[in-house]
Amino acid sequence: DAKTTQPPSMDCAEGRAANLPCNHSTISGNEYVYWYRQIHSQGPQYIIHGLKNNETNEMASLIITEDRKSSTLILPHATLRDTAVYYCIVIRTGTASKLTFGTGTRLQVTL
Amino acid sequence: GAGVSQTPSNKVTEKGKYVELRCDPISGHTALYWYRQSLGQGPEFLIYFQGTGAADDSGLPNDRFFAVRPEGSVSTLKIQRTERGDSAVYLCASSSGRGGRGPTEEQFFGPGTRLTVL
Repeated sequence: DAKTTQPPSMDCAEGRAANLPCNHSTISGNEYVYWYRQIHSQGPQYIIHGLKNNETNEMASLIITEDRKSSTLILPHATLRDTAVYYCIVIRTGTASKLTFGTGTRLQVTL
Repeated sequence: GAGVSQTPSNKVTEKGKYVELRCDPISGHTALYWYRQSLGQGPEFLIYFQGTGAADDSGLPNDRFFAVRPEGSVSTLKIQRTERGDSAVYLCASSSGRGGRGPTEEQFFGPGTRLTVL
């Protein structure tokens, strides 16, 4: 699976959009981009995934560049509860696959 | 509905002792995963079960670590002769295991067991 690169930390004011970037320049055509987050003292939680089209769900939006070498997770109106470590993971398609977490981006949402 | 549960939530043991960590996956989920998370790091894959069998145990660090899932539901991670370096949060996750050729399934994680080896 392709390696990902994320900034170690970011800050965001409550109510503003949080834009978390991820670089995956070696991604292959059959690899999806997944985002998970981990709130302090909890297990990771799935957020969203995509292949090449932009995706949106009730939690977030995922924007993937046309060349698929990078993506951005967008939390449109960040709240204090969104403070967490966010992991960008690239996974080859399949029924079940181990997740290879990096060190992620620590997002701090402040008042 | 019930999520993934793990017991105990905390375990303190002495170096050299044997420990067992238990994971109860979401009912009906055939895929089960164990991960280990050290302080300040992302979770690290240990082993993956599909049903009763270990489909991928490439992440187990050495032969002191062993996991079973005899009936295809509950799983136990067993660590022999614990060392201080085994101290970490051990996370369990499950997924339905019914996906096809499309995207990898969402994994649902438990809260973890914090293991401290003194």
